[in-house]
Amino acid sequence: DAGVIQSPRHEVTEMGQEVTLRCKPISGHNSLFWYRQTMMRGLELLIYFNNNVPIDDSGMPEDRFSAKMPNASFSTLKIQPSEPRDSAVYFCASSRAAGNPGGDQPQHFGDGTRLSIL
Amino acid sequence: AQSVTQLDSQVPVFEEAPVELRCNYSSSVSVYLFWYVQYPNQGLQLLLKYLSGSTLVKGINGFEAEFNKSQTSFHLRKPSVHISDTAEYFCAVSGVGGYQKVTFGIGTKLQVIP
Repeated sequence: DAGVIQSPRHEVTEMGQEVTLRCKPISGHNSLFWYRQTMMRGLELLIYFNNNVPIDDSGMPEDRFSAKMPNASFSTLKIQPSEPRDSAVYFCASSRAAGNPGGDQPQHFGDGTRLSIL
Repeated sequence: AQSVTQLDSQVPVFEEAPVELRCNYSSSVSVYLFWYVQYPNQGLQLLLKYLSGSTLVKGINGFEAEFNKSQTSFHLRKPSVHISDTAEYFCAVSGVGGYQKVTFGIGTKLQVIP
């Protein structure tokens, strides 16, 4: 079975540019998560979707970040304008869980997008 | 809200020796507990989970963890490590009931020395 697919794997861009990260969750999974991983702060949840609807976006750092899930098989995380402090590895994860995502269904992670903002 | 503390940022251990990676949590509600492993340039993979029942949980690759409610701990153990176990290990907690997001620890890097 195909896992969670993220693209691109690496992105290097200049400050001020728009960045779009993409995610295809595992077919049949109805929960999708975007995380950011840095050395200083570890793994932080940015936003959680359930059945394509954003449920918790309290982790989105500021208005420069936005996320969409137009259908069950695709999600994007956009940063506009990007800043050097946004440099991190961004992970998308999906699970079957509805309601409580910390339930008995584990989260399946993609391999991440390594983002560098110069 | 929940929080997770992984007490060791790095743990070096010789091959075939036992290892314990420590995890403590805090929560005002009952919890689900997880250990994930991350290999270089990859996402996290589930090692094992505690939902309810037996406090000793066995996972993949020979790992096990014990839930201790009184100590609020969920330490990960393996009796004999292999070079291929070199990776970063994350403890995670989620509250039972309603939407409660998963909170991850900062991670412990296990370095297996030949």
